[in-house]
Amino acid sequence: EVQLVESGGGLVQPGRSLRLSCAASGFSFDYYAMHWVRQAPGKGLEWVSVIDWNSGTIGYADSVKGRFTISRDNAKNSLYLQMNSLRPEDTAFYYCAKNIRATVVRGLIPDYWGQGTLVTVSS
Amino acid sequence: NFMLTQPHSVSESPGKTVTISCTRSSGSIASNYVQWYQQRPGSSPTTVIYEDNQRPSGVPDRFSGSIDSSSNSASLTISGLKTEDEADYYCQSYDSSNRGVFGGGTKLTVL
Repeated sequence: EVQLVESGGGLVQPGRSLRLSCAASGFSFDYYAMHWVRQAPGKGLEWVSVIDWNSGTIGYADSVKGRFTISRDNAKNSLYLQMNSLRPEDTAFYYCAKNIRATVVRGLIPDYWGQGTLVTVSS
Repeated sequence: NFMLTQPHSVSESPGKTVTISCTRSSGSIASNYVQWYQQRPGSSPTTVIYEDNQRPSGVPDRFSGSIDSSSNSASLTISGLKTEDEADYYCQSYDSSNRGVFGGGTKLTVL
């Protein structure tokens, strides 16, 4: 069974940093690209970032480019999101999601999602 | 980049059929696969349709997906509606610069 467990969320002041983690199990983590997707409370889904199986291809939403960095450690079956220069509008539940394939050449297609971790940016 | 536009809400009675649309603002809807996700209150999203019209194992065949190039839109159709289908539904696609795009979501009420 695919399991994705996010951690690292919490309350942080504007301008500060936070690092999210996602622990994967139940599938061959290094065979799949991975995503981060966020959802502000009561709002819709917003795609944030993607990384392919060997970190060779990475993509970011314009809203986070230059501030957020996605990475992965296949030896630890873990996905990360380093978030710098946080803004109040970054407040959201952050979900990690597994892609349907190892690469994104044939599409950015999340299929399994974690339960999410809440990031609140406020002074 | 392009946008995906969905109706804010739809409602239908149990046993009936409902269709939710997802219109791409620019570029061809057929250029990139469209996915559909169901999100019940308090839960994370789950996939109901991927690659335009493929159903993951475990998703009932009451759920179907299609694309229409003439209207540049994708559709999710749910037949034989059940109260458990009440949820938010999101369409999703991506562009050639490795960026994902979600529609704004549609709240389905089964009454």
